[in-house]
Amino acid sequence: QVQLQESGPGLVKPSETLSLTCTVSGGSTSRYYWSWIRQPPGKGPEWIGYIFNSGGTNYNPSLKSRVTISVDTSKNQFSLKLSSVTAADTAVYYCARDHDQLLFAYWGQGTLVTVSS
Amino acid sequence: DIQMTQSPSSLSASVGDRVTITCRASQSISTYLNWYQQKPGKAPKLLIYAASGLQSGVPSRFSGSGSGTDFALTISSLQPEDFATYYCQQSYSAPFTFGPGTKVDIK
Repeated sequence: QVQLQESGPGLVKPSETLSLTCTVSGGSTSRYYWSWIRQPPGKGPEWIGYIFNSGGTNYNPSLKSRVTISVDTSKNQFSLKLSSVTAADTAVYYCARDHDQLLFAYWGQGTLVTVSS
Repeated sequence: DIQMTQSPSSLSASVGDRVTITCRASQSISTYLNWYQQKPGKAPKLLIYAASGLQSGVPSRFSGSGSGTDFALTISSLQPEDFATYYCQQSYSAPFTFGPGTKVDIK
């Protein structure tokens, strides 16, 4: 059974870098598409980007200049870094994995990140 | 980017009602359309993939239809556990975009 768990600081100051990690159990991070998705309070989800085949990436152009997604196969984790954050980056952040060409088949429980001084 | 819209934004219904939610894409996406259910404090859960495919474990009262730009999610007989927010999402091209959601609550 695939399980994903997000972790990281719940509070980040404006202009700093948001860093989150997704720990995976029940599947190897050397395979599959691993995505980050966020959901601002009261709004629909927004795809941030994904990493695949242990290195290929695809980012949402609206965030591309500030986003880095990486994977650590030795720890079975993948990570998100979002730089120069503002209050608009306050959201619940989810990690997700594909299955049978369904990009967001499995989701973590999500973690709320608030950007505030 | 492909923009997704949903209607209505919210609806009130009773247990046993037939409910239909619509989703429209800003350009044709063939049948690259997925539906999710989200309950408060939980991650979205995949219900329908490729416009009409029922995800494993999802009750058969949920069904999806449509192609091109217009899609629908139908719940044939609303159950108490179905009160939630529903989102459509296009998987035709990146960036993969979601609709703003339809909240289904109890009348």
